[in-house]
Amino acid sequence: KAGVTQTPRYLIKTRGQQVTLSCSPISGHRSVSWYQQTPGQGLQFLFEYFSETQRNKGNFPGRFSGRQFSNSRSEMNVSTLELGDSALYLCASYLDGGSYEQYFGPGTRLTVT
Amino acid sequence: QKEVEQDPGPLSVPEGAIVSLNCTYSNSAFQYFMWYRQYSRKGPELLMYTYSSGNKEDGRFTAQVDKSSKYISLFIRDSQPSDSATYLCAVPGAGSYQLTFGKGTKLSVIP
Repeated sequence: KAGVTQTPRYLIKTRGQQVTLSCSPISGHRSVSWYQQTPGQGLQFLFEYFSETQRNKGNFPGRFSGRQFSNSRSEMNVSTLELGDSALYLCASYLDGGSYEQYFGPGTRLTVT
Repeated sequence: QKEVEQDPGPLSVPEGAIVSLNCTYSNSAFQYFMWYRQYSRKGPELLMYTYSSGNKEDGRFTAQVDKSSKYISLFIRDSQPSDSATYLCAVPGAGSYQLTFGKGTKLSVIP
């Protein structure tokens, strides 16, 4: 079974621009969560989607948004990029329904200059 | 107090040593506990998943949960250079799939 895929793997953007990251979950998984990983803060929860609905949101500004499509693929968007948004953005997929095992993709490394 | 605390290390051990990695947590409602392994420039890989108190063994890896002291541990026996990575403990919230992670412990196993 193919794992979680994330595209693109690397991105370089300029302050003020916006960016869209994509995540394809493991086949059969209907839930997707997004996390931001930085050296200083570690892994921090961004948001969670189940069946195209945002179920939970972390403590991030409104510039961070996401959505999930009917095929369970998910995108996250960051508008008006700031230098502090440079991070590894990770997507995790899981089955939902009682199992808490979550499987991560390789991440998208975003650099904001 | 942070919900999950983990000594960031770094931890350096000789090949073949027994490694002990630890986390503490503050919320007694936590029931599920996970350990992830993350190699440099890769995504975290789910290593062990345990429910409630007790031990779970998988090959050279043993996960241990002590709910009375809110302490979780990962033991690696006969450590190998390929075990060199950052190890992260994680817990989902009560009734939630949102994971709270420790900061991670960077382990180096020296040949």
